Amino acid sequence: QSALTQPASVSASPGQSITISCTGTSSDVGGYNYVSWYQHHPGKAPKLMIYDVSDRPSGVSNRFSGSKSGNAASLTISGLQAEDEADYYCSSYTSSSTVIFGGGTKVTVL
Amino acid sequence: EVQLLESGGGLVQPGGSLRLSCAASGFTFSSYAMSWVRQAPGKGLEWVSGISGGGDYTYYTDSVKGRFTFSRDNSKNTLFLQMSSLRAEDTAVYYCAKARTYFDFWREDSWGQGTMVTVSS
Repeated sequence: QSALTQPASVSASPGQSITISCTGTSSDVGGYNYVSWYQHHPGKAPKLMIYDVSDRPSGVSNRFSGSKSGNAASLTISGLQAEDEADYYCSSYTSSSTVIFGGGTKVTVL
Repeated sequence: EVQLLESGGGLVQPGGSLRLSCAASGFTFSSYAMSWVRQAPGKGLEWVSGISGGGDYTYYTDSVKGRFTFSRDNSKNTLFLQMSSLRAEDTAVYYCAKARTYFDFWREDSWGQGTMVTVSS
């Protein structure tokens, strides 16, 4: 099964908003409301930012939000800050009872 | 505070075996599903396997089925990933991760720092 499709990179200036897309199929993203988003600073442990499409774990800034339409999910980061610079991965539960990740998006704060 | 500490990584020859461990603390271990996720050098995250809180359900990505076995010892708060018939493409940092509930290995809210596995002759 191929990875979910994410843009390789996104960049913006501090204070701006960005949206990262995550495209799958009806067997994963489109079939379940089980899309998660992770922030990963290289060399550190990944961090859960969004789960079940749009829910935020306790402690995650409300500048992070998630949504889904059909087979595509999105992560929006508003009021971009320097510490948001990281790799971001989406993931989804699949009809095969497995998990599939996206290829990752490198976010650069200009 | 949730803590997950992986160990057991190292250099192994193609076709060889390795057992990874993940020691957990800071939460009621048997109440949560767990997963192994790996990241090959320069690549993205890849889910490897998931296990329910009681260890009675396990799931694997296709590329490791029949070669990897995921188990847990709830009396010792420890996970194990037995890897055999290792291939060069298994080279990666392996992370253990905790799910949010007993069964939902697709939502991982805590991760370890990872252990490196290198498969090479």
